[in-house]
Amino acid sequence: EAGVAQSPRYKIIEKRQSVAFWCNPISGHATLYWYQQILGQGPKLLIQFQNNGVVDDSQLPKDRFSAERLKGVDSTLKIQPAKLEDSAVYLCASSSDWRRSYEQYFGPGTRLTVT
Amino acid sequence: AQSVAQPEDQVNVAEGNPLTVKCTYSVSGNPYLFWYVQYPNRGLQFLLKYITGDNLVKGSYGFEAEFNKSQTSFHLKKPSALVSDSALYFCAVAGNTDKLIFGTGTRLQVFP
Repeated sequence: EAGVAQSPRYKIIEKRQSVAFWCNPISGHATLYWYQQILGQGPKLLIQFQNNGVVDDSQLPKDRFSAERLKGVDSTLKIQPAKLEDSAVYLCASSSDWRRSYEQYFGPGTRLTVT
Repeated sequence: AQSVAQPEDQVNVAEGNPLTVKCTYSVSGNPYLFWYVQYPNRGLQFLLKYITGDNLVKGSYGFEAEFNKSQTSFHLKKPSALVSDSALYFCAVAGNTDKLIFGTGTRLQVFP
C-alpha cells in the first residue's frame, strides 16, 4: 500500500511570510496527525484529526498555525505569519484503528527554513 | 504527565558488537512503548512496540527491546550491529490516548 505522502519536501521562506504544507494519509486511515520536529528534539504533536474533526490541538500555536481536513482525507497545515523559531521538519502521520494496531505511519516530512 | 528520557545523545559501537540504546519513561497507568528510527531526510519508521504480554519484544531488522516495569525502562538492543543501522533512534510512550510523547533521540553510529 502507498505510504503517507507530503509536499513540498523542502521550503525556504522569509519571516512574516505564509506557508502551507499538504498531507495525504494512507488510504482508509481515519486518524491524521501533524507533528513538529525541531532540530535536536523529538517530534511534538501539533494537531490530531479523527476523520474531519479535531481531537487534540492543545499544542498548536493558534495565533499563527491553522490546519484543516475538510473531507476527512487530505490535510493542510498553514503558518501565517512565520517566525524564525518555526524552522523545523513538519511530519504527517496516519493511523487506522489505534486500539487495534497501536501504530502510526509517518510521511517523509517537510523541512521548513525560515530566514 | 507522560515523559520519555533518552539519556545518551550518541551511542558508538563497532560493527558486529551488540548495541543498546537506553530509554526510560514516566506515564500514568499502563504504558504503551515504541521505538522508531529516522534516516537522513526521511520520516520516522516504526521498529517495534510493547503493548502487553512478554517483556521482550522483537521488531524489524533484528532489533528487540526489553520492557522493565520496575525500572520504567524500555531499552533497544541488537545482538550484532551493522553499519547500516547508523541512524537516529526515538523512543516514545503513549498512555490512555494515542498521543505519542517522544524522547529527544539517540544517534547511533556503527563503525566498520
